[in-house]
Amino acid sequence: DTGVSQDPRHKITKRGQNVTFRCDPISEHNRLYWYRQTLGQGPEFLTYFQNEAQLEKSRLLSDRFSAERPKGSFSTLEIQRTEQGDSAMYLCASTLGWGVGHTEAFFGQGTRLTVV
Amino acid sequence: AQTVTQSQPEMSVQEAETVTLSCTYDTSESDYYLFWYKQPPSRQMILVIRQEAYKQQNATENRFSVNFQKAAKSFSLKISDSQLGDAAMYFCALAGTASKLTFGTGTRLQVTL
Repeated sequence: DTGVSQDPRHKITKRGQNVTFRCDPISEHNRLYWYRQTLGQGPEFLTYFQNEAQLEKSRLLSDRFSAERPKGSFSTLEIQRTEQGDSAMYLCASTLGWGVGHTEAFFGQGTRLTVV
Repeated sequence: AQTVTQSQPEMSVQEAETVTLSCTYDTSESDYYLFWYKQPPSRQMILVIRQEAYKQQNATENRFSVNFQKAAKSFSLKISDSQLGDAAMYFCALAGTASKLTFGTGTRLQVTL
């Protein structure tokens, strides 16, 4: 297993377009998290899944954002009608067990989104 | 709400010397975990060290150690014998029972020869 992988690594899109990112966690990990990191800031929590169930969503996750983890394996994060303020690095992390407090969270390299 | 504050945007250390990165936090939870993550340029974030809040003993991982002051809500990272490969952004983070991480704004560490 090569760790958490994210695709694409970079995405440039025009304002108003829809984009979708994919995250493949470490195979046996049951929890998957999405974070957003803007320049000069630390990552901010967006949402997380335990298996296929989405257990929490941040208020940062507006109705233009949707995340899925259909079979409890990979996850997708879709942004509809992108805005320039959506430009950021989108990070995915996964853990095994109860969550980041109890076991280590492994991060992917992120998808850098630029909205022009 | 949980908050994590890193007041040092940038730090510099000479190779082989020791540096301490500061972090303060606030949480209303009694059961929580504290972390230091390292994010090298264009590479993924990796865990450096973690501390369970119920443990009084400070965590140590090779050249990395923490000074956990629970009453003061302080959690600093000490890097001994600094190496060029230690240059990165370092994030302090907190996880409570909600299992999500709350990060600080980061400290960029430069290591000079």
